[in-house]
Formats: sequence, structure tokens, C-alpha cells
Amino acid sequence: GAVVSQHPSRVICKSGTSVKIECRSLDFQATTMFWYRQFPKQSLMLMATSNEGSKATYEQGVEKDKFLINHASLTLSTLTVTSAHPEDSSFYICSARVVNVVNQPQHFGDGTRLSIL
Amino acid sequence: GQQLNQSPQSMFIQEGEDVSMNCTSSSIFNTWLWYKQDPGEGPVLLIALYKAGELTSNGRLTAQFGITRKDSFLNISASIPSDVGIYFCAGQQGAQKLVFGQGTRLTINP
Repeated sequence: GAVVSQHPSRVICKSGTSVKIECRSLDFQATTMFWYRQFPKQSLMLMATSNEGSKATYEQGVEKDKFLINHASLTLSTLTVTSAHPEDSSFYICSARVVNVVNQPQHFGDGTRLSIL
Repeated sequence: GQQLNQSPQSMFIQEGEDVSMNCTSSSIFNTWLWYKQDPGEGPVLLIALYKAGELTSNGRLTAQFGITRKDSFLNISASIPSDVGIYFCAGQQGAQKLVFGQGTRLTINP
């Protein structure tokens, strides 16, 4: 089945550091990738939709200059949390799907646990 | 943002019991998806439903796409310890973004 790989799985860093998270589709071309944030005991909250070769679409309330998204190829999207602060600590999950093919569900990566000290 | 109504929020059952959870929406969807999330991991797709009225099974799991397109249920038969986790429903209309339920946390007493 479709596999989405996310790296790293866990990051612990100091406040002010920028952190890059990678999301790769391993056996399919993902024209669209999605970045979610999940707080403890809550559902997934969509942050942005990443389209290959174009600018990402951010959800309301998500700072595009804070969370930089790049989708340079059909198999890779990156999320960079710039100048991270403790309030950015969370579980970040990416997802990918092939948009122009009928009945293709979204598959998720294993998530990245970000802890800012 | 928009969210599905998923119930129950949590379940505490004995091993071997059957489980049933459902999601309802005020909006129509043409796709319903059910995911399971284990602690510290991303959601894993369990069942995808694409047609109103569709009933689909995956091992001990059965899910149905409601005929009104506004609801779906997931049943788990003869629960086992590895069924523990959080189950999420998600609805989708066309190529639009997924809308998630709040999740059902399943706990199994041995």
C-alpha cells in the first residue's frame, strides 16, 4: 500500500532554532501534501495544503512566515518551523494523496514530535 | 473549522466484546474514511468508503457509508488488545480537504 515517510520522528531543540521536517511519498507521486498539527487528546488540525510547484495554501490563523512549506517535487514536501518557541511544541503530521485519480485516500506519515526548550 | 460529530468520545470494554462508533455531519460527503492512531504515531487508514450505502469489511472491521451521505459507522468485532487506540472518522467532498471527527478513544480491559 501507499507509504508516507516523515523525518525526523522527534526533535528537541532550543528556543529560536529553525526546524525542518520532511515528508516523502515512497511509492506514489503526491501532487498534494497536507501538514497537520495535533495537540494532546485532540483531533488533527490542518495547517496548510502543499501543491507541487506552487505556493502552499494556509488555513486561517496559521502564519505562513512562521511555518514555511516547500513542495519542490512530486515525492517531497518540507515544513520549516522558523524561530521555534515553546508554544510551537506539538505533534506535526504530514499526509499525501494523488489528487487527479479517482478514489485515492490520504495516507499519513508517522508524525514528528517537536519539543522546544 | 468544520468538524464531524463522532461518538462515543471514549469506550472502555472487555476483550472479546464488539465495538461500534459513528460519525454524523450536517454536510454531505462523497467519501468517508476511518483511521486508527496509536500513541506517538500517525493515523493509519482502516477503511475507505466511496459510495452511499456501501458496506465494507477489513478483517474484523466493518464500516458503512450512510445512505444520506451524512453519516458513517465503524464496527469492530471480537476486540483484541491491539485494537486499543484512537479511531478517527474523516469526510471529504470532492477534492476538498478532509474534515475529521474528534476521535473515539478505545480502551480494552483484559
